[in-house]
Amino acid sequence: QQQVKQSPQSLIVQKGGISIINCAYENTAFDYFPWYQQFPGKGPALLIAIRPDVSEKKEGRFTISFNKSAKQFSLHIMDSQPGDSATYFCAATPSHTGNQFYFGTGTSLTVIP
Amino acid sequence: NAGVTQTPKFQVLKTGQSMTLQCAQDMNHEYMSWYRQDPGMGLRLIHYSVGAGITDQGEVPNGYNVSRSTTEDFPLRLLSAAPSQTSVYFCASSPRGPETQYFGPGTRLLVL
Repeated sequence: QQQVKQSPQSLIVQKGGISIINCAYENTAFDYFPWYQQFPGKGPALLIAIRPDVSEKKEGRFTISFNKSAKQFSLHIMDSQPGDSATYFCAATPSHTGNQFYFGTGTSLTVIP
Repeated sequence: NAGVTQTPKFQVLKTGQSMTLQCAQDMNHEYMSWYRQDPGMGLRLIHYSVGAGITDQGEVPNGYNVSRSTTEDFPLRLLSAAPSQTSVYFCASSPRGPETQYFGPGTRLLVL
């Protein structure tokens, strides 16, 4: 059973548009929610992360929105660029257990020039 | 710093063979993990370690063994390879706790 559900599976956005990727979870013990970016042939790289004590975190063009009551969080990429074309994974962990991360299934983002 | 290194980059095995995937980090990170990545399934945690001498099972540990005798190294052993273990394997490390997990470049494994 997938602990973290991610949608959509793929996304095509025009350059300059907003890309939105959504994730949902059930385990209320999760308390750290990172997003990873992965380019073909490379390992994932941490993009941005949030803890449930805040509802939003912004770093440059990337924003995480977090809804604790709905157990949902999303990644917004503003002014999407062709260089943002990659696969994005959300993840979650109950941080007190060490490093037990649960990943979503990934979203393949294509930004069209 | 080389970061997280993995060897080999690519490996072909026959069913029933054993092998060890190597992972090393030079950042003095306490936490290390092994994941497998399969199409449409994201990354799934195989085993993880919170320090030398301490390991624990993740989501999909069957068929794999790990040990952590030093802070730097965290090898993953396939005991008897099966076609279902065909995957891309990633090793990751972080200083302490979940923040800033650094991934290696991956090992692509094909089991025939």
